Amino acid sequence: KQEVTQIPAALSVPEGENLVLNCSFTDSAIYNLQWFRQDPGKGLTSLLLIQSSQREQTSGRLNASLDKSSGRSTLYIAASQPGDSATYLCAVIRRQDYGGSQGNLIFGKGTKLSVKP
Amino acid sequence: NAGVMQNPRHLVRRRGQEARLRCSPMKGHSHVYWYRQLPEEGLKFMVYLQKENIIDESGMPKERFSAEFPKEGPSILRIQQVVRGDSAAYFCASSPNRRNTGELFFGEGSRLTVL
Repeated sequence: KQEVTQIPAALSVPEGENLVLNCSFTDSAIYNLQWFRQDPGKGLTSLLLIQSSQREQTSGRLNASLDKSSGRSTLYIAASQPGDSATYLCAVIRRQDYGGSQGNLIFGKGTKLSVKP
Repeated sequence: NAGVMQNPRHLVRRRGQEARLRCSPMKGHSHVYWYRQLPEEGLKFMVYLQKENIIDESGMPKERFSAEFPKEGPSILRIQQVVRGDSAAYFCASSPNRRNTGELFFGEGSRLTVL
């Protein structure tokens, strides 16, 4: 059974700091991994998607890495800003799920990030 | 290009009433997924639908919950005889087809409160 864990559950940093959010999954047979951002009372915004054949993806100040063999992904945020404050969610699709159930994303509980001005 | 549209954004029901949540996928998307986020919990998959077909309902509670995605109109998640434990945020997501990257696009959610 695939389980996704995110550590830490909450993180508070001063503005400008570089930070890393961690995600681990128990079954390395994944199709892809997605990082989302969720603002309070809002939906999910897709940040980065890493296919199982890829090692990392970058978008602006965000960089996500994937190490399938160890069951880990990290989301690196450079030069954090107060506007980055949100909950960051990691989710995977299991490889065997893709044919039958494309959307069966398995989510972690998220890391709540607070960036202080 | 509008994103995934969900309504209502907030819904209050008394125990025993019915709740209907609607979802219109992004333009050009034919796959719809429903997820539930309970307080202090992660998002959990409920059901995956294509037009007029339920593809995977392995995450749906066995009773009181149903979903449809008709040929015309939005997808509907229906909860009959609601109980307090149904209070949660219900998110809809869509994707264009089976052979894409697997990326899902989420709506803003419908927040159900059962009194």
